[in-house]
This record gives sequence, C-alpha cells and structure tokens, in this order.
Amino acid sequence: GEDVEQSLFLSVREGDSSVINCTYTDSSSTYLYWYKQEPGAGLQLLTYIFSNMDMKQDQRLTVLLNKKDKHLSLRIADTQTGDSAIYFCASVSNTGNQFYFGTGTSLTVIP
Amino acid sequence: ETGVTQTPRHLVMGMTNKKSLKCEQHLGHNAMYWYKQSAKKPLELMFVYNFKEQTENNSVPSRFSPECPNSSHLFLHLHTLQPEDSALYLCASATSVGEETQYFGPGTRLLVL
Repeated sequence: GEDVEQSLFLSVREGDSSVINCTYTDSSSTYLYWYKQEPGAGLQLLTYIFSNMDMKQDQRLTVLLNKKDKHLSLRIADTQTGDSAIYFCASVSNTGNQFYFGTGTSLTVIP
Repeated sequence: ETGVTQTPRHLVMGMTNKKSLKCEQHLGHNAMYWYKQSAKKPLELMFVYNFKEQTENNSVPSRFSPECPNSSHLFLHLHTLQPEDSALYLCASATSVGEETQYFGPGTRLLVL
C-alpha cells in the first residue's frame, strides 16, 4: 500500500507563514489532498491538487507538488490563531477506491 | 455544515456492550466509508460501500460489523470491543467510489473501558 508521511508537530508565530510537508510513495496518485481537523471536529477538505499541476493557490493557501520527489507541501500565509489544527495530507489510489492519509501535522500558532 | 452527520458524538462502552454508530449523509452521494483515527497514526480505512454494496473490508476484525441499508445511511455495529479500539471513528461520503473527493462527518469519539 501507499505510505504517506508527515512530521507530527509545527509551531509558528502569528503572522508568519507555515509550511507543512508531506511525502508519498504511490506515483500513480491522481489527486493529492489537504484536510484540516479542528479540535473535536471531523476532517474538513481544505484544498486539493491534480497530479499534473505543480502549484495551486487559493487565497492564503499555496499547494506545491513535486511529483518527481513525491513531495507535497501546504503553505499558509499570514498564519492566524484560527489556523491551529491538525493538517492531513492524503493521496488517492489510482482506482479512486482508497484514500491514504498521513499521520497529520499538528500546527500550533503562537500569538 | 458538511452534510455528513454522525451520532453519537461521544460514546463510552464496556467490553461486553453492544452499541452502534450511525452516519447519515444529505449530499445525494452513493459511496460511504468508515475510517478509524487513532492518536499519532494515519487514518485507517475500514469499510467502503458503493450503492449499498460493500466493496472493501480492510481486514477489520469481526467485532466491527457495518450495515448500509440505503445510500444515505451507514452504521457500524460494535460488539465485545477491546480497549485498543478506542479511537475517533469517521464516516465519509463521495459521489461514488472512484470520485476523488470525500466529505467527512465530525466523527464519534469512542472509549472502550
């Protein structure tokens, strides 16, 4: 199966940029996703990128995909305290039948 | 409001109890999923249903029994669980299996004593 890896923790100061990294092993993944999980809540789809794209920007969020290195990152500009959450990277199998999630990165924003 | 609801939100049960988790989606989707989220571990896919038919059982112990009576409802019946089954159980739905975007419910936080 696919392995999706993330670092467990990240702390940034309010107003700084956050960069959350993810690596995956299945090069046939068609889409890669970022989900956000706030305390006590389920997973909320943040953004996704199609595998033939290098970059996708959506307001404060920038997703970068390096398909050669199987590396995905999520950059949050001007990080706010409300961005404190766990962020999950996910890839989907080429059949579309199964999502593979990383362990999640717990982002703490320091006021 | 994600359109996917789960009840109960929290559940405490003994190892000899029988309980059920319920998931309901209001999105008109045909695919539904159960995931287990344990601390510091990747999300684990448990079951996949497509048009009410189970299409995937990811080697889940028989003490977890899913039921999908229709495309809008998904249940997870629990019986003689172990303490290590304590986790957050997430339900998700998608237009159909093969559609890449899944929408998640808030989860049921389960504690097995």
